[in-house]
Amino acid sequence: EAGVAQSPRYKIIEKRQSVAFWCNPISGHATLYWYQQILGQGPKLLIQFQNNGVVDDSQLPKDRFSAERLKGVDSTLKIQPAKLEDSAVYLCASSLKGQLYEQYFGPGTRLTVT
Amino acid sequence: AQSVTQPDIHITVSEGASLELRCNYSYGATPYLFWYVQSPGQGLQLLLKYFSGDTLVQGIKGFEAEFKRSQSSFNLRKPSVHWSDAAEYFCAVGLITSYDKVIFGPGTSLSVIP
Repeated sequence: EAGVAQSPRYKIIEKRQSVAFWCNPISGHATLYWYQQILGQGPKLLIQFQNNGVVDDSQLPKDRFSAERLKGVDSTLKIQPAKLEDSAVYLCASSLKGQLYEQYFGPGTRLTVT
Repeated sequence: AQSVTQPDIHITVSEGASLELRCNYSYGATPYLFWYVQSPGQGLQLLLKYFSGDTLVQGIKGFEAEFKRSQSSFNLRKPSVHWSDAAEYFCAVGLITSYDKVIFGPGTSLSVIP
Protein backbone atom coordinates (compact mmCIF):
# COMPACT_ATOMS: atom_id res chain seq x y z
CA GLU A 1 0.00 0.00 0.00
CA ALA A 2 1.45 3.35 -1.02
CA GLY A 3 1.79 5.92 1.74
CA VAL A 4 0.90 9.58 1.87
CA ALA A 5 2.86 11.48 -0.77
CA GLN A 6 3.93 15.08 -0.44
CA SER A 7 5.83 17.44 -2.67
CA PRO A 8 8.07 19.26 -2.72
CA ARG A 9 10.17 17.96 0.17
CA TYR A 10 12.01 21.24 0.60
CA LYS A 11 11.27 24.81 -0.40
CA ILE A 12 13.11 28.06 0.19
CA ILE A 13 11.37 31.33 -0.62
CA GLU A 14 11.68 34.98 0.28
CA LYS A 15 9.11 36.69 2.45
CA ARG A 16 6.09 38.01 0.61
CA GLN A 17 6.43 35.32 -2.06
CA SER A 18 3.82 32.63 -2.52
CA VAL A 19 4.24 28.87 -2.23
CA ALA A 20 2.09 25.78 -2.70
CA PHE A 21 2.35 22.29 -1.28
CA TRP A 22 0.73 19.18 -2.65
CA CYS A 23 -0.51 16.07 -0.87
CA ASN A 24 -1.84 12.78 -2.19
CA PRO A 25 -3.39 10.70 0.61
CA ILE A 26 -3.63 6.94 0.85
CA SER A 27 -6.22 5.62 -1.57
CA GLY A 28 -9.65 5.40 0.00
CA HIS A 29 -8.88 7.68 2.94
CA ALA A 30 -11.74 10.10 3.31
CA THR A 31 -10.13 12.38 5.88
CA LEU A 32 -7.15 14.58 5.09
CA TYR A 33 -5.25 16.82 7.48
CA TRP A 34 -2.67 19.57 7.06
CA TYR A 35 -0.44 20.29 10.04
CA GLN A 36 2.18 22.94 10.65
CA GLN A 37 5.15 21.81 12.73
CA ILE A 38 7.46 24.57 13.89
CA LEU A 39 10.91 23.48 15.02
CA GLY A 40 10.78 22.16 18.57
CA GLN A 41 7.00 21.97 18.69
CA GLY A 42 4.34 19.37 18.06
CA PRO A 43 2.20 19.41 14.93
CA LYS A 44 -0.59 21.98 14.91
CA LEU A 45 -3.68 21.27 12.86
CA LEU A 46 -4.26 23.86 10.15
CA ILE A 47 -7.18 22.33 8.31
CA GLN A 48 -9.07 19.05 8.16
CA PHE A 49 -11.11 17.78 5.23
CA GLN A 50 -13.77 15.10 5.22
CA ASN A 51 -14.01 14.14 1.55
CA ASN A 52 -14.37 17.52 -0.20
CA GLY A 53 -15.65 19.45 2.78
CA VAL A 54 -13.80 21.36 5.49
CA VAL A 55 -14.60 20.17 9.02
CA ASP A 56 -12.04 22.27 10.92
CA ASP A 57 -10.04 25.27 9.80
CA SER A 58 -10.14 27.17 13.06
CA GLN A 59 -6.35 27.56 13.24
CA LEU A 60 -5.75 28.36 9.60
CA PRO A 61 -4.54 31.96 9.09
CA LYS A 62 -7.10 32.63 6.41
CA ASP A 63 -5.67 35.99 5.40
CA ARG A 64 -2.66 34.22 3.90
CA PHE A 65 -3.28 30.46 3.92
CA SER A 66 -5.71 28.59 1.72
CA ALA A 67 -6.32 24.91 1.03
CA GLU A 68 -8.47 22.90 -1.27
CA ARG A 69 -9.26 19.27 -1.84
CA LEU A 70 -10.81 18.80 -5.21
CA LYS A 71 -12.68 15.57 -5.94
CA GLY A 72 -12.01 14.38 -2.41
CA VAL A 73 -8.59 13.02 -3.24
CA ASP A 74 -5.41 15.09 -3.36
CA SER A 75 -5.03 18.48 -1.77
CA THR A 76 -3.00 21.67 -2.05
CA LEU A 77 -2.05 24.12 0.67
CA LYS A 78 -1.04 27.62 -0.38
CA ILE A 79 0.61 30.49 1.44
CA GLN A 80 0.38 33.96 -0.06
CA PRO A 81 2.22 36.07 0.95
CA ALA A 82 4.66 34.16 3.13
CA LYS A 83 6.07 35.55 6.36
CA LEU A 84 9.23 34.62 8.21
CA GLU A 85 7.19 32.91 10.93
CA ASP A 86 5.77 30.49 8.34
CA SER A 87 9.09 28.65 8.31
CA ALA A 88 8.12 25.15 9.41
CA VAL A 89 7.50 21.62 8.24
CA TYR A 90 4.08 21.16 6.69
CA LEU A 91 2.74 17.68 7.26
CA CYS A 92 -0.11 16.02 5.46
CA ALA A 93 -1.93 13.07 6.98
CA SER A 94 -4.91 10.94 6.06
CA SER A 95 -7.20 8.49 7.77
CA LEU A 96 -10.04 6.13 6.95
CA LYS A 97 -13.46 7.33 7.98
CA GLY A 98 -14.41 5.24 10.96
CA GLN A 99 -10.80 4.35 11.84
CA LEU A 100 -10.88 6.83 14.61
CA TYR A 101 -7.85 9.03 14.76
CA GLU A 102 -5.42 6.58 13.13
CA GLN A 103 -3.61 9.04 10.98
CA TYR A 104 -0.98 8.17 8.43
CA PHE A 105 1.56 10.91 7.82
CA GLY A 106 3.54 11.92 4.79
CA PRO A 107 7.22 12.90 5.04
CA GLY A 108 6.42 16.60 5.13
CA THR A 109 7.58 19.69 3.27
CA ARG A 110 10.23 21.79 4.98
CA LEU A 111 9.62 25.46 4.19
CA THR A 112 12.24 28.11 4.85
CA VAL A 113 11.20 31.75 4.44
CA THR A 114 14.12 34.19 4.23
CA ALA B 1 -9.09 24.06 27.20
CA GLN B 2 -7.70 20.74 26.11
CA SER B 3 -3.93 20.39 26.24
CA VAL B 4 -1.12 17.87 26.24
CA THR B 5 2.12 18.36 28.12
CA GLN B 6 5.35 16.45 27.85
CA PRO B 7 7.53 17.65 30.72
CA ASP B 8 10.82 16.43 29.28
CA ILE B 9 12.07 18.34 26.27
CA HIS B 10 15.07 16.09 25.81
CA ILE B 11 16.16 12.78 27.32
CA THR B 12 19.42 10.88 26.89
CA VAL B 13 19.70 7.21 27.75
CA SER B 14 22.32 4.55 27.22
CA GLU B 15 21.65 1.74 24.82
CA GLY B 16 20.12 -1.18 26.70
CA ALA B 17 18.75 1.00 29.48
CA SER B 18 15.07 1.35 30.21
CA LEU B 19 13.06 4.34 29.06
CA GLU B 20 10.03 6.22 30.30
CA LEU B 21 8.62 9.27 28.53
CA ARG B 22 6.01 11.27 30.38
CA CYS B 23 2.74 12.63 29.06
CA ASN B 24 -0.05 14.46 30.85
CA TYR B 25 -3.27 15.73 29.40
CA SER B 26 -6.04 18.09 30.31
CA TYR B 27 -9.49 17.13 29.08
CA GLY B 28 -12.95 16.96 30.61
CA ALA B 29 -13.64 13.40 29.57
CA THR B 30 -11.59 10.27 29.06
CA PRO B 31 -9.79 10.91 25.81
CA TYR B 32 -8.34 8.69 23.22
CA LEU B 33 -4.56 8.64 23.69
CA PHE B 34 -1.72 8.07 21.30
CA TRP B 35 2.03 7.98 21.05
CA TYR B 36 3.72 8.81 17.75
CA VAL B 37 7.40 8.66 16.81
CA GLN B 38 9.12 10.90 14.29
CA SER B 39 12.54 9.96 12.97
CA PRO B 40 14.66 12.71 11.41
CA GLY B 41 13.25 13.86 8.10
CA GLN B 42 10.28 11.54 8.37
CA GLY B 43 6.60 11.91 9.06
CA LEU B 44 5.00 10.67 12.24
CA GLN B 45 4.35 6.98 12.83
CA LEU B 46 1.80 5.64 15.28
CA LEU B 47 3.44 3.60 18.08
CA LEU B 48 0.34 2.72 20.10
CA LYS B 49 -3.09 3.92 21.10
CA TYR B 50 -5.54 3.69 23.98
CA PHE B 51 -9.28 3.85 23.45
CA SER B 52 -10.71 1.87 26.37
CA GLY B 53 -10.28 -1.33 28.35
CA ASP B 54 -6.92 -2.55 29.60
CA THR B 55 -4.96 0.48 30.72
CA LEU B 56 -1.63 -1.07 29.71
CA VAL B 57 -1.31 -1.08 25.94
CA GLN B 58 1.32 -2.67 23.78
CA GLY B 59 2.64 -1.08 20.65
CA ILE B 60 5.13 -1.62 17.91
CA LYS B 61 8.90 -1.76 18.35
CA GLY B 62 8.61 -3.09 21.89
CA PHE B 63 6.95 0.00 23.35
CA GLU B 64 4.13 0.03 25.88
CA ALA B 65 2.16 2.75 27.62
CA GLU B 66 0.00 2.90 30.70
CA PHE B 67 -3.09 5.06 31.11
CA LYS B 68 -3.61 6.38 34.63
CA ARG B 69 -6.90 8.22 34.91
CA SER B 70 -6.18 9.55 38.41
CA GLN B 71 -3.00 11.21 37.21
CA SER B 72 -4.25 12.18 33.72
CA SER B 73 -1.14 10.51 32.39
CA PHE B 74 -0.18 8.22 29.56
CA ASN B 75 3.51 7.43 29.94
CA LEU B 76 5.48 5.55 27.32
CA ARG B 77 7.95 2.86 28.34
CA LYS B 78 10.47 0.52 26.82
CA PRO B 79 12.52 -1.97 28.86
CA SER B 80 15.64 -1.85 26.71
CA VAL B 81 16.40 0.98 24.32
CA HIS B 82 18.11 0.44 20.97
CA TRP B 83 20.19 3.04 19.14
CA SER B 84 17.54 3.13 16.42
CA ASP B 85 15.00 4.44 18.94
CA ALA B 86 16.64 7.87 18.84
CA ALA B 87 13.86 10.12 17.55
CA GLU B 88 11.21 12.63 18.56
CA TYR B 89 8.24 11.24 20.47
CA PHE B 90 4.84 12.90 20.54
CA CYS B 91 1.96 12.18 22.86
CA ALA B 92 -1.46 13.04 21.44
CA VAL B 93 -5.05 13.27 22.60
CA GLY B 94 -8.05 12.47 20.46
CA LEU B 95 -11.03 14.58 21.35
CA ILE B 96 -14.52 13.17 21.34
CA THR B 97 -16.08 15.43 18.74
CA SER B 98 -18.10 14.97 15.59
CA TYR B 99 -14.85 14.50 13.74
CA ASP B 100 -11.47 13.02 14.53
CA LYS B 101 -9.60 15.91 16.12
CA VAL B 102 -6.19 15.23 17.61
CA ILE B 103 -4.05 17.54 19.73
CA PHE B 104 -0.33 16.86 19.88
CA GLY B 105 2.05 17.54 22.72
CA PRO B 106 5.30 19.46 22.18
CA GLY B 107 7.39 16.31 21.92
CA THR B 108 10.34 14.74 23.71
CA SER B 109 13.60 14.30 21.86
CA LEU B 110 15.36 11.02 22.70
CA SER B 111 19.09 10.54 22.27
CA VAL B 112 20.69 7.13 22.73
CA ILE B 113 24.30 6.75 23.80
CA PRO B 114 26.05 3.66 22.42
